[in-house]
Amino acid sequence: AQTVTQSQPEMSVQEAETVTLSCTYDTSESNYYLFWYKQPPSRQMILVIRQEAYKQQNATENRFSVNFQKAAKSFSLKISDSQLGDTAMYFCAFTLTQGGSEKLVFGKGTKLTVNP
Amino acid sequence: DTEVTQTPKHLVMGMTNKKSLKCEQHMGHRAMYWYKQKAKKPPELMFVYSYEKLSINESVPSRFSPECPNSSLLNLHLHALQPEDSALYLCASSHRDSNEKLFFGSGTQLSVL
Repeated sequence: AQTVTQSQPEMSVQEAETVTLSCTYDTSESNYYLFWYKQPPSRQMILVIRQEAYKQQNATENRFSVNFQKAAKSFSLKISDSQLGDTAMYFCAFTLTQGGSEKLVFGKGTKLTVNP
Repeated sequence: DTEVTQTPKHLVMGMTNKKSLKCEQHMGHRAMYWYKQKAKKPPELMFVYSYEKLSINESVPSRFSPECPNSSLLNLHLHALQPEDSALYLCASSHRDSNEKLFFGSGTQLSVL
């Protein structure tokens, strides 16, 4: 089965602290991309960070970094120095090839609240 | 221009109406996508167009009819919808039919009465 599991439906963190969102996935593909998308109350989906599965080095984007464990099929997101604007729904996803095109498979999401 | 523009932002329609959702991008992307998102759920893929040809249809009911008139435009024609079709409809585009980076529009919130 091609699935993404986000085991934390909701999380909260104090402003300026660090929080880690977990994600595990299951795929039979040998090459794929992994993503974290953020969806604030405005409901626009915003790409936070992307990881290519064949790269061992963990991706980083400013305050956002991932811990990618390919053998364990784990892809967690760490947010450092949390800001109020980080309050959003966070979706983990990976690419799945189908019919010659690629599609994203999303997890159910983690609702993150950053408290002042 | 790194935007995907969707119109209208909100739409209320009756079950007998015919309406269309519009999506536009000017980034030269050759793949465009329609997603449906119910409240508190992840987006669900509906259709993928690659180089203006339909490449993926996720068994979507025929009351939803996609159209890609050119590489910058994507429409979703709606007819005889049901109340359970009420959702946020998101359009996205990418450089090609690879999800290296998807750019999403802000969506159309659809209510079917």
